[in-house]
Amino acid sequence: NAGVTQTPKFRILKIGQSMTLQCTQDMNHNYMYWYRQDPGMGLKLIYYSVGAGITDKGEVPNGYNVSRSTTEDFPLRLELAAPSQTSVYFCASSSSGTNNEQFFGPGTRLTVL
Amino acid sequence: GQNIDQPTEMTATEGAIVQINCTYQTSGFNGLFWYQQHAGEAPTFLSYNVLDGLEEKGRFSSFLSRSKGYSYLLLKELQMKDSASYLCAVVDSNYQLIWGAGTKLIIKP
Repeated sequence: NAGVTQTPKFRILKIGQSMTLQCTQDMNHNYMYWYRQDPGMGLKLIYYSVGAGITDKGEVPNGYNVSRSTTEDFPLRLELAAPSQTSVYFCASSSSGTNNEQFFGPGTRLTVL
Repeated sequence: GQNIDQPTEMTATEGAIVQINCTYQTSGFNGLFWYQQHAGEAPTFLSYNVLDGLEEKGRFSSFLSRSKGYSYLLLKELQMKDSASYLCAVVDSNYQLIWGAGTKLIIKP
């Protein structure tokens, strides 16, 4: 099993550009999450999903969108990139709710200039 | 508001023992996690406590006191590969996971 995979690993965007961060898991997990991690800060939840077709906002959803058309995939869309979105983005999954171990992807390091 | 406090950085010697503390003030409690994160990598699961007491797993142990809003992660027989950040996270009453900023552990020979 590959676990949780993310692409790309690194990306530089110009202000106002858009992009999609891809996330795929092969563990048949229902729950999936998108986090951002800024230097010296804890993980902040952007969006999460409890199953295909169901998504909900986390703590810092502004400037992002998600979709969950299949169990495996949970892409994160950035519209109109801003310097404040410079961060490391992690996708994670768990078999059920938040009181279960989360498995993380390797992360995407995004810089907006 | 909800808050998790951990020391920012700790230094320890190879072969020694270190205790990393975590205190929390959250709206309710449904469990506490410890994750390890090496620099430039993703967090990986270490332990989960939901009841008071000590959980031992090899060289790593995790302790929880719900009445004190306190947990610690104990690392024994430290190895250089234990140099990493250690993240404490609490599940609140709404089953939201609240993350601490992490403790960077530096191991010296």
